[in-house]
Amino acid sequence: GAVVSQHPSWVICKSGTSVKIECRSLDFQATTMFWYRQFPKQSLMLMATSNEGSKATYEQGVEKDKFLINHASLTLSTLTVTSAHPEDSSFYICSARGLGTSTYNEQFFGPGTRLTVL
Amino acid sequence: QKEVEQNSGPLSVPEGAIASLNCTYSDRGSQSFFWYRQYSGKSPELIMSIYSNGDKEDGRFTAQLNKASQYVSLLIRDSQPSDSATYLCAVFSGSARQLTFGSGTQLTVLP
Repeated sequence: GAVVSQHPSWVICKSGTSVKIECRSLDFQATTMFWYRQFPKQSLMLMATSNEGSKATYEQGVEKDKFLINHASLTLSTLTVTSAHPEDSSFYICSARGLGTSTYNEQFFGPGTRLTVL
Repeated sequence: QKEVEQNSGPLSVPEGAIASLNCTYSDRGSQSFFWYRQYSGKSPELIMSIYSNGDKEDGRFTAQLNKASQYVSLLIRDSQPSDSATYLCAVFSGSARQLTFGSGTQLTVLP
């Protein structure tokens, strides 16, 4: 299957700082990338969808000024959590869909980034 | 009504048994159906895709799709303790152009 990487795999930061998470498709071109958040023992929550070269589409209730998403190339998307607070602590997972994977809209997930805000 | 529904479980089966996981969806226009496995603390991993009515087999896994009943299932034969995980059903809607996930079924395979 297609491979998606994320960096960093975990990060601890102080309240008020910004954190950037990178998501890369390693062996295919990701025309669309998705960012999810998952709290312990809860299901995936879609935060936003981004298409290469366009502004991200955010789900209802997700603050676009707090969670900045950039999808500048077909292999890289970034999520920046600005002015992070303890309630932003969560497991952030990206997934990608694109050319060379399949014609059936499969999405492949990165390994996730565990964010802890102190 | 949730768009994709799964029994949350937990579902426990003995080692070697067949585990049966079920999923229903509400959008009749849904085109593609997926099963993901998520181990605790890890991200989801795609294990099965199905697009046409009927069965699709891959090793110990069989996905079953019935579009008329809006139902998709996953059977795991000869279940192993390593199959213990949360299984997420996902449905792709052409209108929404994105996957909708169920809340997942937690499976435990007892040695």
